[in-house]
Amino acid sequence: QVQLRESGPGLVRPSQTLSLTCSVSGDSISGASYYWNWIRQHPGKGLEWLGYINYSGTTYYNPSLQGRVFISVDTSKNQFSLKLFSVTAADTAVFFCARGATERRPHTWFDSWGPGTLVTVSS
Amino acid sequence: IVLTQSPGTLSLSPGERATLSCRASRHVSTTYLAWYQQKPGQAPRLLIYDASSRAIGTPDRFSGSGSGTDFTLTISRLEPEDFAMYYCQQYGSSPLTFGGGTKVEI
Repeated sequence: QVQLRESGPGLVRPSQTLSLTCSVSGDSISGASYYWNWIRQHPGKGLEWLGYINYSGTTYYNPSLQGRVFISVDTSKNQFSLKLFSVTAADTAVFFCARGATERRPHTWFDSWGPGTLVTVSS
Repeated sequence: IVLTQSPGTLSLSPGERATLSCRASRHVSTTYLAWYQQKPGQAPRLLIYDASSRAIGTPDRFSGSGSGTDFTLTISRLEPEDFAMYYCQQYGSSPLTFGGGTKVEI
């Protein structure tokens, strides 16, 4: 059974870069053709999909982020990572990593989620 | 595609039937819609995919229906553990989007 867990700083200064890593266990990122996603949830609000990556590095980002997001993968560590540039207080959120449920299909539902990590943007 | 969930809050008692709506601003291709349950401090949990298919472990009191722009999640008889937030998500077109959620409260 696949398990995901987010890690990274809980506090980021405004205008800096938010960096998070998702560690995957129970499944090999390079061994299957799943898509690995980042999703965030502003405090008390709904969910916003940020983007995905697959084992070969193919990415797609939510246009609403206007080029501020970058997702990478490290198959040797079985991890994928998120960078969000030029953050403001409006980027304060719980960030989740999640696996797309269907192999070889980037647009799908999410069947496995990390527990989430709160990132606060504040000086 | 913008997903609008209604009502925002549903106040019911255990044993009652819950009907949650998810309306899309454009046609969702091929019933590509999922439902999730989220409890405070937890990640969302998949309940339904492809509009009406139950995920592994989803009790059969949960059912999904609909197509096109109108989708429904029905909980036939509410159990105490069903009081939570519920979100719909479409994956028929980019970007993937979620609804704003419905809170089912006692």
